[in-house]
Amino acid sequence: SYELTQPPSVSVSPGQTATITCSGDKLGDKYASWYQQKPGQSPVLVIYQDSKRPSGIPERFSGSNSGNTATLTISGTQAMDEADYYCQAWDSSNFFVFGTGTKVTVL
Amino acid sequence: EVQLVESGGGLVQPGGSLRLSCAASGFIFSSYAMNWVRQAPGRGLEWVSDISASGGSTYYADSVRGRFTISRDNSKNTLYLQMNSLRAADTAVYYCAKGDASYFMAWGQGTLVTVSS
Repeated sequence: SYELTQPPSVSVSPGQTATITCSGDKLGDKYASWYQQKPGQSPVLVIYQDSKRPSGIPERFSGSNSGNTATLTISGTQAMDEADYYCQAWDSSNFFVFGTGTKVTVL
Repeated sequence: EVQLVESGGGLVQPGGSLRLSCAASGFIFSSYAMNWVRQAPGRGLEWVSDISASGGSTYYADSVRGRFTISRDNSKNTLYLQMNSLRAADTAVYYCAKGDASYFMAWGQGTLVTVSS
């Protein structure tokens, strides 16, 4: 089965840049998406097709994907960005696969 | 505005059955694949099942194949998940999600399924 690995936690100071990685075999050959989930809420799509932002998602969220790693970058991190973040890819054999999740703490 | 509203969750004994529903509005339901994604308490997201726009093709995670059945009624804009032979490991919040190619643009609020004696 296909697996996506994320760091369990990332800490960032307000106004600084948070970088969250997602690793998987030849992930760069697939499209990666990212979801934000706050406690008690449903996931929200923040990046799709590697680097596209849905309407309403702030410009401080950006994404990239190459080789075996996809990256979500939050520039100028705000307290409201504190949440769990999940990467996700689509694979023809395994269909939709989610990463292990990363808890972002804004200190 | 896209809206997805799940219902049908609850407490069920191991080995029991439950049917979840997801009422969709705000988009042309019959034009989109639909999915179920679940999240066990304190755990990450797990894709469960996908159904094509017409309903003619269905796909399942290995963990539920043979026990769960996804279906849809395009005349009622409703997605279903029939869950049989439920196990404690199936305890989770179940979300329906609108399939947009390789990602999920819209999610419902989720419905909690608890499998326990």
